[in-house]
Amino acid sequence: EAQVTQNPRYLITVTGKKLTVTCSQNMNHEYMSWYRQDPGLGLRQIYYSMNVEVTDKGDVPEGYKVSRKEKRNFPLILESPSPNQTSLYFCASSLSPTREAFFGQGTRLTVV
Amino acid sequence: GESVGLHLPTLSVQEGDNSIINCAYSNSASDYFIWYKQESGKGPQFIIDIRSNMDKRQGQRVTVLLNKTVKHLSLQIAATQPGDSAVYFCAEKYPPPLVSGGSNYKLTFGKGTLLTVNP
Repeated sequence: EAQVTQNPRYLITVTGKKLTVTCSQNMNHEYMSWYRQDPGLGLRQIYYSMNVEVTDKGDVPEGYKVSRKEKRNFPLILESPSPNQTSLYFCASSLSPTREAFFGQGTRLTVV
Repeated sequence: GESVGLHLPTLSVQEGDNSIINCAYSNSASDYFIWYKQESGKGPQFIIDIRSNMDKRQGQRVTVLLNKTVKHLSLQIAATQPGDSAVYFCAEKYPPPLVSGGSNYKLTFGKGTLLTVNP
């Protein structure tokens, strides 16, 4: 089954404690991206990756890092989480930027 | 389930009626448009897309209309069913400025519309 898998689904952490949200896709997609979803603000792109070892900033990259060492995986790293990063995060993948994106189930992150 | 928005426009319809969800997009250079459906507790799910060289595209029970003159996009759902209840997002994609040398075709999402189908 074609899917995008994120882990964990829910995470509560404390300010400053490094965390990683994993994302994996099994569709051999080249393009992957991370979004955050906040009430009243919709979905905003954090980072994206055109292919292995090719990543770039989206609209709201501050406080986040990503890596793309393999085609299937695109982890999102918060080196020092802060409460304003409390949000619902989605990973997505697609064949190209102009093709339909497949989204993961989301990760609800709370930073206290 | 997860709440995706506290102040979303809402549309309430009766089961069996047709629904029309509207979206105004922002960039006249946008060349690709997508509608996504997001059910409570789930990620967005692709419904239908349309390129800027078209003004109408039909899928199964759904039709997307594009009016580039007024930068307006609409999603029509025929014979709406309770399973159609969800938040619907439009998204526009436009190429990066040539001078930037960037490669990201930005995908910008609208704020969403909550569709509620009453049995």
